[in-house]
Amino acid sequence: KAGVTQTPRYLIKTRGQQVTLSCSPISGHRSVSWYQQTPGQGLQFLFEYFSETQRNKGNFPGRFSGRQFSNSRSEMNVSTLELGDSALYLCASSRGDSGANVLTFGAGSRLTVL
Amino acid sequence: KQEVTQIPAALSVPEGENLVLNCSFTDSAIYNLQWFRQDPGKGLTSLLLIQSSQREQTSGRLNASLDKSSGRSTLYIAASQPGDSATYLCAVADNNAGNMLTFGGGTRLMVKP
Repeated sequence: KAGVTQTPRYLIKTRGQQVTLSCSPISGHRSVSWYQQTPGQGLQFLFEYFSETQRNKGNFPGRFSGRQFSNSRSEMNVSTLELGDSALYLCASSRGDSGANVLTFGAGSRLTVL
Repeated sequence: KQEVTQIPAALSVPEGENLVLNCSFTDSAIYNLQWFRQDPGKGLTSLLLIQSSQREQTSGRLNASLDKSSGRSTLYIAASQPGDSATYLCAVADNNAGNMLTFGGGTRLMVKP
């Protein structure tokens, strides 16, 4: 079966711009989580959506937002980009939201902010 | 606030060796612990998930143990192969209300032929 698909895989933006990243979960999975990975901070939780509702949110500024559609696809948006937003953004999907589920990760979207 | 630490940060071993990767967490009231593998420039692959009520999980040459009381988990890799070279990450879920994981910094493993 198809895995978790993230688009775009690579993108370059300049400071002050905004960016939208997309994540298509595995068919039947209703939970989508987003993580930011940087060399300095490692993997950090951004937010999680289940059935179009945000379930949890990490400690990131309001410039980071997300949403989930009725088909479980999710998008995250970062506005007013800063150099420090350069990172690999990973999304993960799972069937449920109980915390007992194995997460399946996508290959990530690598964002470079110049 | 939960903190997860992995030691060592990097490890280089010759092929065929058995090895142990360590993970420690500060708050023992976890719901589960997962071990992941990440190849360079790629996403994460789930290796093993241990529920808080379990002591260990096994998959092929991999065995993960969990000691909640001491806040520790180990990942044992038997008969290491060059294809095992990757970064190994452990992550804990603090509760069952969602899939929010706290990750360790990872151990970068290189297995030399």
